[in-house]
Amino acid sequence: EVQLVESGGGLVQPGGSLRLSCAASGFTFSSYAMSWVRQAPGKGLECVSAISGSGGSTYYADSVKGRFTISRDNSKNTLYLQMNSLRAEDTAVFYCATTPGDNYDFWSGPFDYWGQGTLVTVSS
Amino acid sequence: DIQMTQSPSSLSASVGDRVTITCRASQSISSYLNWYQQKPGKAPKLLIYAASSLQSGVPSRFSGSGSGTDFTLTISSLQPEDFATYYCQQGSSIPPTFGPGTKVDIK
Repeated sequence: EVQLVESGGGLVQPGGSLRLSCAASGFTFSSYAMSWVRQAPGKGLECVSAISGSGGSTYYADSVKGRFTISRDNSKNTLYLQMNSLRAEDTAVFYCATTPGDNYDFWSGPFDYWGQGTLVTVSS
Repeated sequence: DIQMTQSPSSLSASVGDRVTITCRASQSISSYLNWYQQKPGKAPKLLIYAASSLQSGVPSRFSGSGSGTDFTLTISSLQPEDFATYYCQQGSSIPPTFGPGTKVDIK
């Protein structure tokens, strides 16, 4: 059974940092591209970052470019999102999600498995 | 960026109704269109990928169609567990973008 478990969310002041983790199990982690998709309270979905199965290719939305860094450790089956210079508008539930390795670009979706999400609140 | 719009933004329907949701892209995306269902407090769930392919485990009452710029998600006979918000998402060009969602609630 595929499982994705996010952790690392919490309350942080504007300008602060957080590191999110997504622990994966039940599939060959290195064969899947991974993404972080966020959802601000009461709002829609935004893919903020993605990484290829090997980790060699990455994508960032303009809204987070230069502030967020995606990475993965395939030996630990874990995805990360380092978030720096956080702003109030980054407040959201952050989900990690998989994209199948074959037939799709690493950033494109479809996002076939999702974690339960972790809430990031940026407030003073 | 490719903009995705959905209509209607919300609808009220009864159990057993046929429901159709439309998604439109601001430029052609071929068949790189996916549909998700999200219930309150839960993660989205993939329903349809590549415009018309049913994700494994998804009931056959869900179907998708379209190509280019215009797409539809159809629920042939609405069930109580289908009351949720539905999002389309394009994977044709960077950045991947989602539609604003269509909320389906009980009439």
